[in-house]
Amino acid sequence: QQQVKQSPQSLIVQKGGISIINCAYENTAFDYFPWYQQFPGKGPALLIAIRPDVSEKKEGRFTISFNKSAKQFSLHIMDSQPGDSATYFCAASMRGGFKTIFGAGTRLFVKA
Amino acid sequence: DTAVSQTPKYLVTQMGNDKSIKCEQNLGHDTMYWYKQDSKKFLKIMFSYNNKELIINETVPNRFSPKSPDKAHLNLHINSLELGDSAVYFCASSQVAGSNQPQHFGDGTRLSIL
Repeated sequence: QQQVKQSPQSLIVQKGGISIINCAYENTAFDYFPWYQQFPGKGPALLIAIRPDVSEKKEGRFTISFNKSAKQFSLHIMDSQPGDSATYFCAASMRGGFKTIFGAGTRLFVKA
Repeated sequence: DTAVSQTPKYLVTQMGNDKSIKCEQNLGHDTMYWYKQDSKKFLKIMFSYNNKELIINETVPNRFSPKSPDKAHLNLHINSLELGDSAVYFCASSQVAGSNQPQHFGDGTRLSIL
């Protein structure tokens, strides 16, 4: 029940295309859903995050869609660029909990 | 100024040795973490400290001993290194434990066991 399932494992997208990464969770006590971006040789860095009281959050080319009833959330990268090539992690945590549960990661490659 | 800094960046050593990794954060955060990332990029929480107190130990072998001398530092000492310990170890911090704040990660220490 503590797992966050992420798919796909890897993704290849043409420059200018839309990249979509999906995550699903079981524990309804989760109330914070961040996405992290990791470049080779670097640590993960927060990209965008959402709380379950909203269904969508947009920051520039990055959008999180959240479906509370389905217990799913997804990251959409519009107009994908080669510089977006990285590993993306979805995650979930709960108030009063002391750890963040990470998905297994998606390696995104954007072809020029 | 680096927010979360780890040293060393690379560590190559032989099986059976003891080694330490240091971590410091200058963000004024209360909570610090150690993660292990394997070759498949999977991030696994190892320890979490809040105000120098251990709050999470994710069934990590006793060979791993974290130490937090103050709120800004969390070091990791590993005894009797094994081949399976080869991984990238990340230190992270967040503002307050349990408050759903984002975590800030260091750039990792790549540990290779020969």
